[in-house]
Amino acid sequence: EADIYQTPRYLVIGTGKKITLECSQTMGHDKMYWYQQDPGMELHLIHYSYGVNSTEKGDLSSESTVSRIRTEHFPLTLESARPSHTSQYLCASSRGETQYFGPGTRLLVL
Amino acid sequence: GESVGLHLPTLSVQEGDNSIINCAYSNSASDYFIWYKQESGKGPQFIIDIRSNMDKRQGQRVTVLLNKTVKHLSLQIAATQPGDSAVYFCAENISPGSTLTFGKGTMLLVSP
Repeated sequence: EADIYQTPRYLVIGTGKKITLECSQTMGHDKMYWYQQDPGMELHLIHYSYGVNSTEKGDLSSESTVSRIRTEHFPLTLESARPSHTSQYLCASSRGETQYFGPGTRLLVL
Repeated sequence: GESVGLHLPTLSVQEGDNSIINCAYSNSASDYFIWYKQESGKGPQFIIDIRSNMDKRQGQRVTVLLNKTVKHLSLQIAATQPGDSAVYFCAENISPGSTLTFGKGTMLLVSP
């Protein structure tokens, strides 16, 4: 099982602010993912990476961006937060097909 | 598009009962299936997985059944406990190079 960490766990921020959600894993997994999840709803893939310097957009259109400069680190950035970005953001990593998730970041944009 | 979905949004059971959570998938080419448990305020936690060349796989108190004929996946939890209360998601993968597609969750409520 992967050790995967997300910070912050909770974030309340005003409209227009730039934010970066951090995700790190210590298992050396090549693949990492970001999902957006509204309460009680399914997970929607917004970004993924299959390795360093590789990033792809997921199924759900998102105004966020990601980078993968190091294997263990996969930060997600919102250049200008809006209330519509209020949601839970989940990071996951995998070596094969089984994804292991972090605890999530709950974002509230006022 | 292809989809993975669950039949029941909420399942309420008594402690000690067996629980069955169902999932329908539409892509007959799906090769890998996985069940996650998500407790309130936490990320999804891996429970059990199964490949399309199997029809049953057992873990500790959990069993996953795969019926490829009707494209149906189920998670059975034996002797359900209050700690099993959570939202359960199924997910499918078409190929090792693709990403998981998640279905809508089923909330399992276990009363003492």
